[in-house]
Amino acid sequence: DAMVIQNPRYQVTQFGKPVTLSCSQTLNHNVMYWYQQKSSQAPKLLFHYYDKDFNNEADTPDNFQSRRPNTSFCFLDIRSPGLGDAAMYLCATSRVMVAGGPLNEQFFGPGTRLTVL
Amino acid sequence: AQTVTQSQPEMSVQEAETVTLSCTYDTSESDYYLFWYKQPPSRQMILVIRQEAYKQQNATENRFSVNFQKAAKSFSLKISDSQLGDAAMYFCAYTAGGSEKLVFGKGTKLTVNP
Repeated sequence: DAMVIQNPRYQVTQFGKPVTLSCSQTLNHNVMYWYQQKSSQAPKLLFHYYDKDFNNEADTPDNFQSRRPNTSFCFLDIRSPGLGDAAMYLCATSRVMVAGGPLNEQFFGPGTRLTVL
Repeated sequence: AQTVTQSQPEMSVQEAETVTLSCTYDTSESDYYLFWYKQPPSRQMILVIRQEAYKQQNATENRFSVNFQKAAKSFSLKISDSQLGDAAMYFCAYTAGGSEKLVFGKGTKLTVNP
C-alpha cells in the first residue's frame, strides 16, 4: 500500500545533541511537510517542500532544518535540541496537480515522538 | 489571516448516538476548502471528510456528514451511530485555493461511552 513512513517512531536524544528524523513516501506526491505537535495541540507547520522549493514558516526556529534529496525522502534536522523541542513530529504529503490548483488531502505519517533528556 | 476556531475542547457521546462537532472559520477568500481530520490516540491522522466552498451540497461519507453554512462561516461535523472507534481528536482545517498549506483548529477530543 502507498503510504508515508517515518523513522524512527520513537527517538530519545540528549539536550544539545543533533538529531535527524526521516520521512519517506511511496505516493509520489510533490509536496512534503513537517509539523510539530505537542500534547493535545494542533499540528504546527514548520516548513514544507513544494517539489524542490523549500518554504520555511516565519516562526520556525533556526534550530530546525530540512533536506529533501529526492521526491521520496525528506529529513528534519534539529541541530541543538532543547527541552522545549520534545514533541511529536509529523510528516505529511500532498499532491498539488497544478500551481494554484486545489489542494488534495494531506496524507500523514504515524509520527516520530522525540524525547529530549 | 485565516483562522479556524473549534469552541469545544472536549465532547462525549454514547455509543450509537449522534454528535456534532463545531467549527467556524474566518477568511476573505472566495475559493477555499475545508477538512475534518481524525487523530486517534497514538495513531496517525486521517482525513474524514472534505468540502469545497463552491459546492452548495454538504459532503457526506458514510456516518460522517457536514453542515456547511458559507455565509455564517460554519463547518460542523455530524457523526451518526457513534462507534467506539470514533474516539479521537478531531481537527477542523482550512486551506485557501491555490495554497498548499492547512490552517488547523485547536481540536476537539471526542470520547465515546459504551
